Amino acid sequence: EAGVTQSPTHLIKTRGQQATLRCSPISGHTSVYWYQQALGLGLQFLLWYDEGEERNRGNFPPRFSGRQFPNYSSELNVNALELEDSALYLCASRWPGQTSYEQYFGPGTRLTVT
Amino acid sequence: DQQVKQNSPSLSVQEGRISILNCDYTNSMFDYFLWYKKYPAEGPTFLISISSIKDKNEDGRFTVFLNKSAKHLSLHIVPSQPGDSAVYFCAALTQGGSEKLVFGKGTKLTVNP
Repeated sequence: EAGVTQSPTHLIKTRGQQATLRCSPISGHTSVYWYQQALGLGLQFLLWYDEGEERNRGNFPPRFSGRQFPNYSSELNVNALELEDSALYLCASRWPGQTSYEQYFGPGTRLTVT
Repeated sequence: DQQVKQNSPSLSVQEGRISILNCDYTNSMFDYFLWYKKYPAEGPTFLISISSIKDKNEDGRFTVFLNKSAKHLSLHIVPSQPGDSAVYFCAALTQGGSEKLVFGKGTKLTVNP
């Protein structure tokens, strides 16, 4: 069974540009979560999508947005990039019917803003 | 305001010995806790979890202990192996809530041969 996949692996952007990150969940998983791991920090919750709807978002400005497609894959968009947006962005998925709460993570996209 | 704290940034142990990683939390609404392991250039991998209705959960070499009154949990790895060298994250959530995992900053474990 394929795990969570993310693309691209690395992304280099200039301040003020937009970045788009993509995530494909494990087959059968309908919930997708996005996290940011900045240098020296733990993982910070960004967004949760389930069945195409945004269910919850963390304490991030509106320029962080995303969507979930009918096939449950997801995009994270970051507009008006700032230097401090440089981080590892991790996507996770979960099947809501599972009784345990673990989320399964992809390898991440390393975003560098110069 | 950090709701989940891992106060030891790093830990070094000898192969075959016990590794004990600690985690404290401040939010009394948290009722489910997880441990993840992360190797460089990989995403976190789920290790073990525990619900607040239990005080211990064991899976092979990994045991998690929960002390609700102290708002403290620990992960024991026995025996430790060099392949266990990684960053370990503690995470917490409130069941039936937002499903948002709140993570600590991680503890880097090094197991020396």
